[in-house]
Parts: sequence; structure tokens; C-alpha cells
Amino acid sequence: GQQVMQIPQYQHVQEGEDFTTYCNSSTTLSNIQWYKQRPGGHPVFLIQLVKSGEVKKQKRLTFQFGEAKKNSSLHITATQTTDVGTYFCVLERDYGGSQGNLIFGKGTKLSVKP
Amino acid sequence: GAVVSQHPSWVICKSGTSVKIECRSLDFQATTMFWYRQFPKQSLMLMATSNEGSKATYEQGVEKDKFLINHASLTLSTLTVTSAHPEDSSFYICSARGRIQQPQHFGDGTRLSIL
Repeated sequence: GQQVMQIPQYQHVQEGEDFTTYCNSSTTLSNIQWYKQRPGGHPVFLIQLVKSGEVKKQKRLTFQFGEAKKNSSLHITATQTTDVGTYFCVLERDYGGSQGNLIFGKGTKLSVKP
Repeated sequence: GAVVSQHPSWVICKSGTSVKIECRSLDFQATTMFWYRQFPKQSLMLMATSNEGSKATYEQGVEKDKFLINHASLTLSTLTVTSAHPEDSSFYICSARGRIQQPQHFGDGTRLSIL
């Protein structure tokens, strides 16, 4: 079935350093979503990318959707301790009666050393 | 923004007990609600999808008789873990969505510990 690979699994950075997580799918995606989960918390929706080659920015976060719509990345510039958490790329199942169901990647756990 | 309330936030109970978890959308009508399970250091795994007024659709490998889901209204879905055992201990999270193109909004989760 559909699945998405996400790397790295863990990333430890010094505060102020940049951070990037990558997501790859073997199939062409209709869209891709990104969620953030703080330790002990629930996933929070960050963004949805729909168009081929799309780039969206939210302050220090930059999201990209590949030209082939098979990969995506999240880049954080100058990380802060508030960026700590696990970042998930998420795709929507797009077949049959299960349209809209979310399939979560394994996530990248980011820790930031002050 | 959209708010989803999940209750209780944690449960500790004896093996064999049945536990009910509620998920409510507070400021929007949730056409579809989802139930996930997350084991420590792992990702979220979808257990089932429920649409208001119809039977839930379970993911492969999830026992429908073990995890009873009821979605009686557009703002409330419940998950009942029947005759819970220690291997059912996990973090259970619900989410709710208005229309199919809209993002899902997650509840705060329920930490279930079965002794």
C-alpha cells in the first residue's frame, strides 16, 4: 500500500543551526501535509502542499513539494528551542472508500541544544 | 482555530476492564473522525475511520470487536477498548475533519495504561 519514507529519524542540532527533514514516496502524491508533535502532545497541522514544485514559507519554516510530486522537505532556519518536537510528513490515501485517510511517516525527532 | 476535545487524558486500570474514550469537536461539525494509536517512539497508526451515522471502517489488523467505535453525532465519537490487556496500553489519539479537503484536527490524546 501507499507509504512514505522520512529521514533522518533523529536530528540533534545546536540552537541557531538549520534543520531539514526529507520525505519520499514511491508513488505520485496528490498532496502532502506536514504535522508537528511536541513531546507528550498531539499532532498539529502545519501545512498542505498541492502543486508540483510548490514552495511555502511560514516564518523560519520552508516547505517544498518536488516537481514529480513524490518528495517533500521541511527546512527550519536558525532553529530555536521551541522547534523541538517530531515532524511528520503525511499523505492522504487516495483510493477507494478510504480517500482522505492519513498515512503518517515515521517522523523526524528534532532536539535543539541551547 | 478548530478545537477537538478528548477525554479522559489518561487512564490506569486493571486488566479485563473496558475503557471508553470520548472525542468531541467543539466548534465545527465533524463529518469524519479518526482514531489513531501511537506506541512509544513510534509514529501514529490509523486504527479506524468513522462517519457520522454509519459503521466504522477498520484498518487491517485492528479487531473491530476489541475496539468499538460509535459516531452517533456530528460532534461526538467514542472508542471503547473492551476487556483491555497490558498489550493495549498505548497513546490513543482522535482527530476530526469537516470536509474531505480540510485538515484533520487532533485531540490531546489519551494515555491508557493497563496493569
